[in-house]
Amino acid sequence: AQSVTQLGSHVSVSEGALVLLRCNYSSSVPPYLFWYVQYPNQGLQLLLKYTSAATLVKGINGFEAEFKKSETSFHLTKPSAHMSDAAEYFCAVSDAGNTGKLIFGQGTTLQVKP
Amino acid sequence: EAGVVQSPRYKIIEKKQPVAFWCNPISGHNTLYWYLQNLGQGPELLIRYENEEAVDDSQLPKDRFSAERLKGVDSTLKIQPAELGDSAVYLCASSPSEREWDNEQFFGPGTRLTVL
Repeated sequence: AQSVTQLGSHVSVSEGALVLLRCNYSSSVPPYLFWYVQYPNQGLQLLLKYTSAATLVKGINGFEAEFKKSETSFHLTKPSAHMSDAAEYFCAVSDAGNTGKLIFGQGTTLQVKP
Repeated sequence: EAGVVQSPRYKIIEKKQPVAFWCNPISGHNTLYWYLQNLGQGPELLIRYENEEAVDDSQLPKDRFSAERLKGVDSTLKIQPAELGDSAVYLCASSPSEREWDNEQFFGPGTRLTVL
């Protein structure tokens, strides 16, 4: 069965520092992987997705993620954090049946300190 | 382009009362999803529609939950009767094509339900 594990429920960085949010997946088939962001009282917004093309995926707002099959990881990074990046981040994997069902991790809250 | 619209945004009810949530997906999106998001957790799929057909409702607690998508556009999710454990955010999402597995799902803002 597909699953996603996000390491660290809370991550705190200083403004301008590197952001690294960790995601490991388990999948019985080549996975499709996603990162979503959720701002307070809003729905989820897609940051980026991996669908078996380039292993380094660039998304919106300066975020990127690298698919590493050997490590079963899909970590999200941003070189320099902005205050506006403070939000909840979810990693997700598409189910093995490719039905569109997304299996989400528990989320990581990113705090950005001035 | 308007996004996914959900109403109400907040709902407070007493246990054993019924409640309904409404979702209007993005125009032209054939696939509609209802997710449940408990506090501090990621969303979990309740039901998925392709047009008006519920193609995956395996996670929907059918003893108290029901959903419909008449005419393949708007959808309603109902709980009757509500229990304390149903307090959560109910998210609606839609996606534009049959290749859902690599397509972006567009989420609405959700309905936050509090059951007292």
